Amino acid sequence: AQSVTQLGSHVSVSEGALVLLRCNYSSSVPPYLFWYVQYPNQGLQLLLKYTSAATLVKGINGFEAEFKKSETSFHLTKPSAHMSDAAEYFCAVSDQYTNAGKSTFGDGTTLTVKP
Amino acid sequence: ETGVTQTPRHLVMGMTNKKSLKCEQHLGHNAMYWYKQSAKKPLELMFVYSLEERVENNSVPSRFSPECPNSSHLFLHLHTLQPEDSALYLCASSQVGQWDTGELFFGEGSRLTVL
Repeated sequence: AQSVTQLGSHVSVSEGALVLLRCNYSSSVPPYLFWYVQYPNQGLQLLLKYTSAATLVKGINGFEAEFKKSETSFHLTKPSAHMSDAAEYFCAVSDQYTNAGKSTFGDGTTLTVKP
Repeated sequence: ETGVTQTPRHLVMGMTNKKSLKCEQHLGHNAMYWYKQSAKKPLELMFVYSLEERVENNSVPSRFSPECPNSSHLFLHLHTLQPEDSALYLCASSQVGQWDTGELFFGEGSRLTVL
C-alpha cells in the first residue's frame, strides 16, 4: 500500500520569497513521485516527476524537488515565488509494478503569494 | 484538439435527471480514469479503464456508471444523484505498459451541481 502526506494544507509566502511545499510518502516498493499543480477551475497539470533517475528533479515554472529515500520525502521548492504561482499543489505516488497510472494523491497544499 | 477534453465544463441537474459526462483523449494513451474532487476531500479515484479492463472503486455508488467504448473515449453516466455528489469530476489518461511512467494527463474537469 502507498500513501502520501502533505504537511500544511495552506502555505503563504511573499512574492520573491522561497517556496517550500512538503511531501512525505510511504511505499513498500521503489516509488514514482509526482507534483501536480491545479489552478482555479482547471484540471491538474504535471509540474515534475521522479522515476528512479536523478534524485534532484527540475520541473516547469522554476520548480524543483529532491527525492530523499532516507527521509521518505519529496519536497517541492522554488527559489523565488511569483504571484502566478498561487494555486493548489498535489503530491502523488505510484510505482512501476502496478498500473502506475493509479496514483495515490495527497490532500493538497494551497499556496498563497502575497504582494 | 489536443490533450484531454471534457464536456460539459459545467452541469446543473436535479436529483431525478439522467445526464452524462464525456471525456476524449488525443494522446494515444491506453488507460483512462475518472476522479472525483470534492471540497476539503482528497482526490478520489472512481474508475479505471486500462488495456480495456475496467477496475472499479467499490465505494462508488451505482448511480455512477462508466462507459469506455474505445481507448480514446470515456463517459460517466449519472442518474438519481444526491446533492453530496456535487463536485468537480476529472478525467485523466495515461500510457500503461512498456512506456509507462505513471504520469497522468488531466482534463479541465466537469463541475457538477446537483440540486
